[in-house]
Amino acid sequence: ETGVTQSPTHLIKTRGQQVTLRCSSQSGHNTVSWYQQALGQGPQFIFQYYREEENGRGNFPPRFSGLQFPNYSSELNVNALELDDSALYLCASSSWQGYGYTFGSGTRLTVV
Amino acid sequence: QKEVEQNSGPLSVPEGAIASLNCTYSDRGSQSFFWYRQYSGKSPELIMFIYSNGDKEDGRFTAQLNKASQYVSLLIRDSQPSDSATYLCAAETSFLGNKLVFGAGTILRVKS
Repeated sequence: ETGVTQSPTHLIKTRGQQVTLRCSSQSGHNTVSWYQQALGQGPQFIFQYYREEENGRGNFPPRFSGLQFPNYSSELNVNALELDDSALYLCASSSWQGYGYTFGSGTRLTVV
Repeated sequence: QKEVEQNSGPLSVPEGAIASLNCTYSDRGSQSFFWYRQYSGKSPELIMFIYSNGDKEDGRFTAQLNKASQYVSLLIRDSQPSDSATYLCAAETSFLGNKLVFGAGTILRVKS
């Protein structure tokens, strides 16, 4: 059984640029959620994808967007990067019923 | 706003003692609750989940849930220095998509 993999592990971008983060879900999981974790805080829900459709969104602006592919892998895109977007971005996969959100190792994004 | 509250700590306990971590939640619709351990710079690692009132034990860990009081706790028996980490409490909610709402985490320090 493969776990959740995220790429890249670290990334440095300049304010105003765009970034794409990638996530491969755990085998057997069809739901992918993205979270943002700022330093010293708990993860904050960005959005969730199920069957290639967005299935819920947290309090994040439209410049945060995503995709889910037929193999259940997913991308998170952030446009017009701001300094406050610097955080650990976590992908979690689960079955539709929940019970076991498996997190990937995360992508550390630094915006300078 | 659905919230999960935790004491940020740090909670310091001597090696071999019992560490008690607490969490309250505001969404009465939440049915499942999760405890994650997060080492500095790493992604959250699931320790336990609980969805029935009462206690659930797994090795040195015991999760307790009281839905009437909207209270979740995690007890760690025979605490070890390797247990030193941030412990995140999360409630699963179906508000705006199935997702986890996290507390800010409690820092646990186990002193040898």
